[in-house]
Amino acid sequence: GAVVSQHPSWVICKSGTSVKIECRSLDFQATTMFWYRQFPKQSLMLMATSNEGSKATYEQGVEKDKFLINHASLTLSTLTVTSAHPEDSSFYICSARGRRGRIYEQYFGPGTRLTVT
Amino acid sequence: GENVEQHPSTLSVQEGDSAVIKCTYSDSASNYFPWYKQELGKRPQLIIDIRSNVGEKKDQRIAVTLNKTAKHFSLHITETQPEDSAVYFCAASNILTGGGNKLTFGTGTQLKVEL
Repeated sequence: GAVVSQHPSWVICKSGTSVKIECRSLDFQATTMFWYRQFPKQSLMLMATSNEGSKATYEQGVEKDKFLINHASLTLSTLTVTSAHPEDSSFYICSARGRRGRIYEQYFGPGTRLTVT
Repeated sequence: GENVEQHPSTLSVQEGDSAVIKCTYSDSASNYFPWYKQELGKRPQLIIDIRSNVGEKKDQRIAVTLNKTAKHFSLHITETQPEDSAVYFCAASNILTGGGNKLTFGTGTQLKVEL
């Protein structure tokens, strides 16, 4: 399968600071990137969808000014959690979708564990 | 929007037995149904998927069935092994050529295979 990487794999930050998470598709062009959040023992909840070169579409209840998403290239999307608070502590997972041959496929990154103290 | 329900939330089976996880979806436009296995702290891994033009798909010990009329699909794992222990998620989406593929996930099933 295709490779999607995320950086950092884990991060601890103080309340009020901002954290940037990178998601890269390493061997295919990701026309669409999805960002998910997963709280302990819960399902993956879609936060936003971004297409390369355009603004992200946020799911209901997700603050676009707090979770800044940039999808500047076909291989890189970033999620910035601004003014992080303890309730933002979660597992953030990106998913990259792109065309491989005739088929569109989607692959998940390894996730980023964010802990806000 | 799409809503996916998944049952059971936890499932314990003896090694060698079969495990069945069921999901229902609400949007009749959904046409793609993947199943993911997620181990603690790791990314979801696609284990099998099915599209709406088929009713059943099998890959070794894993099979998925789809009933479009009833809007439900199921994961079947036969001859379970301890390494099958994980959280399993079903998902549903509407694949659009050239477009997004927003997955709606079920709530997950914690499968425990006991020796």
